[in-house]
Amino acid sequence: GQSLEQPSEVTAVEGAIVQINCTYQTSGFYGLSWYQQHDGGAPTFLSYNALDGLEETGRFSSFLSRSDSYGYLLLQELQMKDSASYFCAVRDSNAGNNRKLIWGLGTSLAVNP
Amino acid sequence: NAGVTQTPKFRILKIGQSMTLQCTQDMNHNYMYWYRQDPGMGLKLIYYSVGAGITDKGEVPNGYNVSRSTTEDFPLRLELAAPSQTSVYFCASSFQETQYFGPGTRLLVL
Repeated sequence: GQSLEQPSEVTAVEGAIVQINCTYQTSGFYGLSWYQQHDGGAPTFLSYNALDGLEETGRFSSFLSRSDSYGYLLLQELQMKDSASYFCAVRDSNAGNNRKLIWGLGTSLAVNP
Repeated sequence: NAGVTQTPKFRILKIGQSMTLQCTQDMNHNYMYWYRQDPGMGLKLIYYSVGAGITDKGEVPNGYNVSRSTTEDFPLRLELAAPSQTSVYFCASSFQETQYFGPGTRLLVL
């Protein structure tokens, strides 16, 4: 079957760095995305990796290793407002051109003072 | 741009009732999606559309129907509501690799 695994919960303190891992098993692979969702809110796009390596966007970075079927989201200089759920999602290359995503169950990040 | 808008924000239905969840986007995106999210869970795809007039089933289509008569609108129809359809429903549209989500509709079926 197709699945994505990520930790269910992560706790960190303000100013720290946290890494949220995602491993995937899919029949095909086109790219790995990350979304943030605050409680009661809608998911919002953070990043997308199609090639191996690190993509940096401000305090957030995302990494992909296609050979290991693994990626991570790195959050630096944590702020209280970063407390949210973070979802990884894979676009399956065998799903045709419909851009459907396979979603992980999400990682709940709690940032403490 | 308003982005993706959804109505209503919240609704209570009785078992067996029907309703339509509205979704509109003003970004001229061809791809649109309906998801449901149960508490503490990820997103499950109900239906999707790759353009006006074209729709297809996702992972959990049973009990739902969709139509896509225009690029902008992608309504989701619930027929014969059941308690198992209590959830938060998100509509999304996509451009390249980014999906843009509406604010969601919270549905309670009693």
